[in-house]
Order: sequence, then C-alpha cells, then structure tokens
Amino acid sequence: SAVISQKPSRDICQRGTSLTIQCQVDSQVTMMFWYRQQPGQSLTLIATANQGSEATYESGFVIDKFPISRPNLTFSTLTVSNMSPEDSSIYLCSALQGGQGYYGYTFGSGTRLTVV
Amino acid sequence: AQSVAQPEDQVNVAEGNPLTVKCTYSVSGNPYLFWYVQYPNRGLQFLLKYITGDNLVKGSYGFEAEFNKSQTSFHLKKPSALVSDSALYFCAVRDNYGGSQGNLIFGKGTKLSVKP
Repeated sequence: SAVISQKPSRDICQRGTSLTIQCQVDSQVTMMFWYRQQPGQSLTLIATANQGSEATYESGFVIDKFPISRPNLTFSTLTVSNMSPEDSSIYLCSALQGGQGYYGYTFGSGTRLTVV
Repeated sequence: AQSVAQPEDQVNVAEGNPLTVKCTYSVSGNPYLFWYVQYPNRGLQFLLKYITGDNLVKGSYGFEAEFNKSQTSFHLKKPSALVSDSALYFCAVRDNYGGSQGNLIFGKGTKLSVKP
C-alpha cells in the first residue's frame, strides 16, 4: 500500500493567520481526501482533492476557508485560512488506491493544529 | 443515509481475555468495510478490510473481523488482548454514492482499554 508523508506534524498558530498542510504519496493514487478530527471526535470529510481541478467540498466546508490543491497524482495541500480557535483539530489526508488487484485507503500521520 | 455505528464509547478488557469491538453499518449496494486503529498523537493505521470473499477476515496484530450481511455488522475481534492494544478503534464504510472512488464514512470510534 501507499505511504503518505504529511507535514507539518503539529503547529501552534495565531488567530487570523493561515497554515498550509502538505501530503506527499510515494506512488500514484486514484483519489485523495482531507479529513478533520476534532478533539475526542471521529473523522469528518472536508473535501475530495481532485487532480487538476477544483476540490469537491462537503456540506459545511467552503473553498475560501479550506483551499485545496492537487497538482498531480501524488501530492496535495490543504490550507486552513484566517484561523480561529475553533479550527484547532487534527487534519488528516488520505489516499485511495483502487486498481491492479489492490483496493485500500491509507492515511497520513496527521497535523495537530492549535490556534491561539 | 449511509452510516456506521459503533455503539460502545469504551470497551474494557483484561489482558489475555478475548475482545470484541462492535460495528454496524448502513450502505447502499455492496459494503466495503474497514477497521483502523489510532494511537495517541498518531494517524490512522489500517487493520483489516472486507470487500468480498470469506466473511471472516484476518488482519494485522492478530485482529479479525466477521462480516455478517443479515445483521449488517462487522465486529472486530481478538482472541487474547494485549495491553499494547489499548487505543482508539474506528470502523469505516466506503461511501458508495461515490462509486469506486468514494471516501470513507467513519464511526465515532471506540476506545479500547486493556488492563494488566
């Protein structure tokens, strides 16, 4: 299965600033996704990162707040913009491999964001 | 709506005893089911999956799960628990509205605590 390198692993940011999180996959993958995990909660899908086109956002998440890029089949970024303390969460990227006899989802190690 | 239910917030087991973490699902079409484990300050680690084939699936670290279509369940089991199994466990199902490229829908998670 694919291996994902996610950076940064954690950060403490001032409110009103922005943070960009990067995910690099060691092989080409079919799909990439971004999730948020609030403290003590489950994972909620933010958006699907589409290669070469605009991301598809879930209800409650908007592009202006969470711009996403996916310039190729192995890399994606999520930016958390104009941060507030309510954005303090763990953000995880995920990659789907669906082909050549293997089907599965791999996750990055997560970015623990604290907004002060 | 497609969903995953993990009815127990926490499961407590004595080391050496068998453990079960429950999961039921609701999905349109054939279910693609997954179990992940999350250790503190870590990302999600894949344990096992059911896509097709034998209803009893064996995975990492001695875990197994049984797919029961009539009960729409996919309970995680281990014959003999270890203290090191203590972690947060997530059951997930693929969102079939996305077809083969769908994201995962997660349960709320079950905290497993194994005492010596």
